Amino acid sequence: SSELTQDPAVSVALGQTVRITCQGDSLRSYYASWYQQKPGQAPVLVIYGKNNRPSGIPDRFSGSSSGNTASLTITGAQAEDEADYYCNSRDSSGNLVVFGGGTKLTVL
Amino acid sequence: QVQLVQSGAEVKKPGASVKVSCKASGYTFTGYYIHWVRQAPGQGLEWMGRINPNSGGTNYAQKFQGRVTMTRDTSISTAYMELGRLRSDDTAVYYCARDMGTGGSFDYWGQGTLVTVSS
Repeated sequence: SSELTQDPAVSVALGQTVRITCQGDSLRSYYASWYQQKPGQAPVLVIYGKNNRPSGIPDRFSGSSSGNTASLTITGAQAEDEADYYCNSRDSSGNLVVFGGGTKLTVL
Repeated sequence: QVQLVQSGAEVKKPGASVKVSCKASGYTFTGYYIHWVRQAPGQGLEWMGRINPNSGGTNYAQKFQGRVTMTRDTSISTAYMELGRLRSDDTAVYYCARDMGTGGSFDYWGQGTLVTVSS
């Protein structure tokens, strides 16, 4: 399968922890990457590989994976974390890339 | 600093073609794949394909096979994405993005190019 599935919307209370998940067969072979996108802006990479954060990404963002599911966890969500979050990975062939449908995170 | 700067917005008629450029700076252009991703209004991210700037080799999403061509000019560190036989549902923001070397992690993105297809 070349699809990645995400919940369309998730909400979290300010300061609490939220997990955003991404499911797909390709995740059994390849790590997911995670992107944050705010309205009118280009996506920003927040997690890649096993659990790596690019420079400048707060350590409240973390990633994990088990079986066909990858997860992005935000520990102590802030108002500025309200955004759309997308996962992607290589597809099962390894030559192509697939994105999840995105999760809209609301911070209450 | 690494930058990807894309060409400006385009308005095209159905059936026409559009060519978007992505000029890279701040790193060795031939050392990193460039991917193209699009986003229709209010929709999610959609991967279109990638180019190896060193070899010129490409891989395209099946959905765009036969309609998209990705090229590069190493002399000016620029990648191009041309999409033909445009339809109204090709209206989207088109992004180029640099692959950091893991095959699917995009660490730098262009600012996006809005392509509007309308008669």
